Amino acid sequence: GEDVEQSLFLSVREGDSSVINCTYTDSSSTYLYWYKQEPGAGLQLLTYIFSNMDMKQDQRLTVLLNKKDKHLSLRIADTQTGDSAIYFCAENPGGYNKLIFGAGTRLAVHP
Amino acid sequence: DTAVSQTPKYLVTQMGNDKSIKCEQNLGHDTMYWYKQDSKKFLKIMFSYNNKELIINETVPNRFSPKSPDKAHLNLHINSLELGDSAVYFCASSQDYGTSGAYQETQYFGPGTRLLVL
Repeated sequence: GEDVEQSLFLSVREGDSSVINCTYTDSSSTYLYWYKQEPGAGLQLLTYIFSNMDMKQDQRLTVLLNKKDKHLSLRIADTQTGDSAIYFCAENPGGYNKLIFGAGTRLAVHP
Repeated sequence: DTAVSQTPKYLVTQMGNDKSIKCEQNLGHDTMYWYKQDSKKFLKIMFSYNNKELIINETVPNRFSPKSPDKAHLNLHINSLELGDSAVYFCASSQDYGTSGAYQETQYFGPGTRLLVL
């Protein structure tokens, strides 16, 4: 089946690392994505990872993929107030590029 | 310079009306999509078109009718609007669909159209 789950809220102190977790169900997903949505705005692609990779790093962002457990995480180093947003995990279970989104994790960064 | 644009940004209307939302992309992509985001921020795909042909048609009331006059445009027409249609509607585009790689499949989203049905 198609289902992506995320915890709904995360609160961190400015300067700390944030880790947002996601589980997905479809092992045929070739790519897994992280999108960011700021208040009142559209979805901004943050990063993606190919399913045969374990890790991908892009500046302050680190994506870890455990394909056996179907677990994906996004780590944001040195979290800033501008990182406050909703973060969506999405899988792409093959076929017609139909993205299946999680419910989003609302990240709040406080001083 | 906007890659994926939508109009209008906000739409407030009465139940029973018919309305359209327009989407345009200047990325040269072949595939376009419509997603609905409800009040709990849950995002779900509605339709996708590849080069003006319907590819994905999820379980959506037939009051919703997408139209793609050319591959750079995908409009969404909604007949007989209901209260439950209130949501944010996002358009997206990708180079291609489900074929050969992240570059082709990665979807880029528009800013959204906030629809409120009264």
